[in-house]
Amino acid sequence: GAGVSQSPSNKVTEKGKDVELRCDPISGHTALYWYRQSLGQGLEFLIYFQGNSAPDKSGLPSDRFSAERTGGSVSTLTIQRTQQEDSAVYLCASSLGRPQETQYFGPGTRLLVL
Amino acid sequence: QKEVEQNSGPLSVPEGAIASLNCTYSDRGSQSFFWYRQYSGKSPELIMFIYSNGDKEDGRFTAQLNKASQYVSLLIRDSQPSDSATYLCAVTGIWGNKLVFGAGTILRVKS
Repeated sequence: GAGVSQSPSNKVTEKGKDVELRCDPISGHTALYWYRQSLGQGLEFLIYFQGNSAPDKSGLPSDRFSAERTGGSVSTLTIQRTQQEDSAVYLCASSLGRPQETQYFGPGTRLLVL
Repeated sequence: QKEVEQNSGPLSVPEGAIASLNCTYSDRGSQSFFWYRQYSGKSPELIMFIYSNGDKEDGRFTAQLNKASQYVSLLIRDSQPSDSATYLCAVTGIWGNKLVFGAGTILRVKS
């Protein structure tokens, strides 16, 4: 079946602009995760959704970052007033939602803030 | 101390050899352990997962877990040039949601 999809695949923006990144999880997956991978950094957790709720937002780096999920499916990660340090690959993953389930990753959105 | 530690490498092995990748973790409550492979410019893809102490084999891959030593490893037998990638070790905590990743080990298989 179809995997996790993300859009756009690449985004170039100017410092101070807002950006929205979209994730479409695997059908039937109730859990959705956002991670960020910066040059020279490992993958870092941002936020976790179970259904439309976000029980763990502990990885969001600042209040400029927010995310929502609607209909238990598509999720949007919004970064307001982007900064150059926000440049990274933003990865979305989904899983069946039971504890310890395998997470499957989308292709990522490569964000460059000029 | 980082939560999940891996040698960054690169680890170079000749084609056909066994590649051994290691990972240690700090949280004794960790429940599940995953190995992902990431090619340059691509997203991580799952290689194996392991929950229980001991070995788990899948084709050319064997994952080994020792919870007492807080150590997990991945062995790749008959290494191929196509195995050249970064291998990421990831761990879930007791609540089983977010993955905590190591920085990854770069593997190079030379033909």
